Amino acid sequence: TAGITQAPTSQILAAGRSMTLRCTQDMRHNAMYWYRQDLGLGLRLIHYSNTAGTTGKGEVPDGYSVSRANTDDFPLTLASAVPSQTSVYFCASSEYQETQYFGPGTRLLVL
Amino acid sequence: GNSVTQMEGPVTLSEEAFLTINCTYTATGYPSLFWYVQYPGEGLQLLLKATKADDKGSNKGFEATYRKETTSFHLEKGSVQVSDSAVYFCALTSTNDYKLSFGAGTTVTVRA
Repeated sequence: TAGITQAPTSQILAAGRSMTLRCTQDMRHNAMYWYRQDLGLGLRLIHYSNTAGTTGKGEVPDGYSVSRANTDDFPLTLASAVPSQTSVYFCASSEYQETQYFGPGTRLLVL
Repeated sequence: GNSVTQMEGPVTLSEEAFLTINCTYTATGYPSLFWYVQYPGEGLQLLLKATKADDKGSNKGFEATYRKETTSFHLEKGSVQVSDSAVYFCALTSTNDYKLSFGAGTTVTVRA
């Protein structure tokens, strides 16, 4: 079982460019999440989706957007990247309040 | 709102030493408590969890007990190995919320 896959593994992006980080899960979990991980700050929630067709804002949503057209996919889009969005991005999924399962992460450098 | 405070690292230990990582929390309702571990270059994975007061979670020799009276969920292992070198995150979800609130993480390095 693949669990959660993320793409790309890493990316260097010029400031002002747009980019979509992809996330796919094969566990049929209802809830999905996007976090960013920064040194000394732990993981901070960007956006989440409790079920297909719904999304919500997390702790640090500015500059990011998400969509949840189906159960399996939860892409994260940066419309116009800025250097402060340099981070490691993790996607996760869970069945309601049960354990969250994380993907391997995407390392993004915005120059 | 919910928050998690865990001891700052980094923590460096010798093999077979005793490890404790302190974690305290603030939450409304009755949270579930988790410890996640992140090995170098990987994503997070669940290490253990507890869903109600006095529950003890355990896995891979690690243990943590949900203490409601002290709002704590300290992680312990009696004899660490080099393979336990990782970043450890304490986290919680509250009763009516799917979202995890994480601590800042504690980096543990175990030397042979």
